[in-house]
Amino acid sequence: QQQVKQSPQSLIVQKGGISIINCAYENTAFDYFPWYQQFPGKGPALLIAIRPDVSEKKEGRFTISFNKSAKQFSLHIMDSQPGDSATYFCAASIGAGRRALTFGSGTRLQVQP
Amino acid sequence: NAGVTQTPKFRILKIGQSMTLQCTQDMNHNYMYWYRQDPGMGLKLIYYSVGAGITDKGEVPNGYNVSRSTTEDFPLRLELAAPSQTSVYFCASSYGGIGTDTQYFGPGTRLTVL
Repeated sequence: QQQVKQSPQSLIVQKGGISIINCAYENTAFDYFPWYQQFPGKGPALLIAIRPDVSEKKEGRFTISFNKSAKQFSLHIMDSQPGDSATYFCAASIGAGRRALTFGSGTRLQVQP
Repeated sequence: NAGVTQTPKFRILKIGQSMTLQCTQDMNHNYMYWYRQDPGMGLKLIYYSVGAGITDKGEVPNGYNVSRSTTEDFPLRLELAAPSQTSVYFCASSYGGIGTDTQYFGPGTRLTVL
């Protein structure tokens, strides 16, 4: 069974700090790795995504680091803000994203003011 | 564009009852998906569709059925509700073309089976 393992389950960070969430995958056929952000009572929304041909992608305060040999990828949130408090899911799929996503179990991030 | 809309937002069912969760998208997306999210867990795929008339099972299809008669609509049917189907259900859609991977999610339907 395809799996994506995510850690930590929950994370508390002070405002201005760096939040780091890690994911590991097993299936080397995965070729698309998005991160989704979910606020309470809402559906997940795409935050940032990466393909395995690059090792890092940055969009504003959000960065994905990708290690193909270790089959790991992580989300870094720089200068974390209280508005970043949400649940974050890593995911992976095959076929350049045109297949269904396999999600990690989620990380509940709380940024304290 | 309204994006992906789901109805109802909440529903309580008794064991053995049936219901249909509605999902509609107005983005002309080819691909549509149904996921369920259990507390503290990631989303698990129930069924998906790559176009009108084409559906396929996901990771957890037992107890559910789907149909896709139009590009816009992808209803999910629960025939004999069981407590194990208590969950939040999300519908999603994507264009399905190369380089357009983003899945757009609806707001979810919270279902309780008692």
